[in-house]
Amino acid sequence: TQLLEQSPQFLSIQEGENLTVYCNSSSVFSSLQWYRQEPGEGPVLLVTVVTGGEVKKLKRLTFQFGDARKDSSLHITAAQPGDTGLYLCAGARRTGANNLFFGTGTRLTVIP
Amino acid sequence: DVKVTQSSRYLVKRTGEKVFLECVQDMDHENMFWYRQDPGLGLRLIYFSYDVKMKEKGDIPEGYSVSREKKERFSLILESASTNQTSMYLCASSVDSSGANVLTFGAGSRLTVL
Repeated sequence: TQLLEQSPQFLSIQEGENLTVYCNSSSVFSSLQWYRQEPGEGPVLLVTVVTGGEVKKLKRLTFQFGDARKDSSLHITAAQPGDTGLYLCAGARRTGANNLFFGTGTRLTVIP
Repeated sequence: DVKVTQSSRYLVKRTGEKVFLECVQDMDHENMFWYRQDPGLGLRLIYFSYDVKMKEKGDIPEGYSVSREKKERFSLILESASTNQTSMYLCASSVDSSGANVLTFGAGSRLTVL
């Protein structure tokens, strides 16, 4: 059973379009992270959201943590080919070294 | 630039062979992790270590073992490789164990078992 479900699993869009990726759970998280993984590389942290309802912006990327801290979304405005990659959400549920649960991932392709 | 380095990017092994995957970090992080990544399944934790010579099982430890003799090095061992262990293996490290762990990943080791 996956603790974190991401949707959609695959997304292929034209350059310049907007998109939203969702990360949902029935569990409450103390914080949530988003990573992007480019082909042939490991995931790289984009952002951490901590407070319910929090919104963070990173240039064209907007991240939101749900009020109940069970879900999150990533919105990309005017997507570019450089946004292509696998987007992973990861929720933290408890203290300690092993406290991250990863989502199933969304593979985004932005076509020039 | 801080780094997690996985020495082998691509390996091809035969069923029954012993496989070593090495990971080194230069950030003096206490925590190190081994994940495997398979399409549609996300990242699944195999083992992690929070200190030298300490190790804890993750979600899918069967068929794997680990070694952490030095703080900077965390090795994943497949005693007898099987075809269902064909996968991408990702090593990561982190420093914060009290709150939200932020992981720094290596580039991955793609293992094919024939």
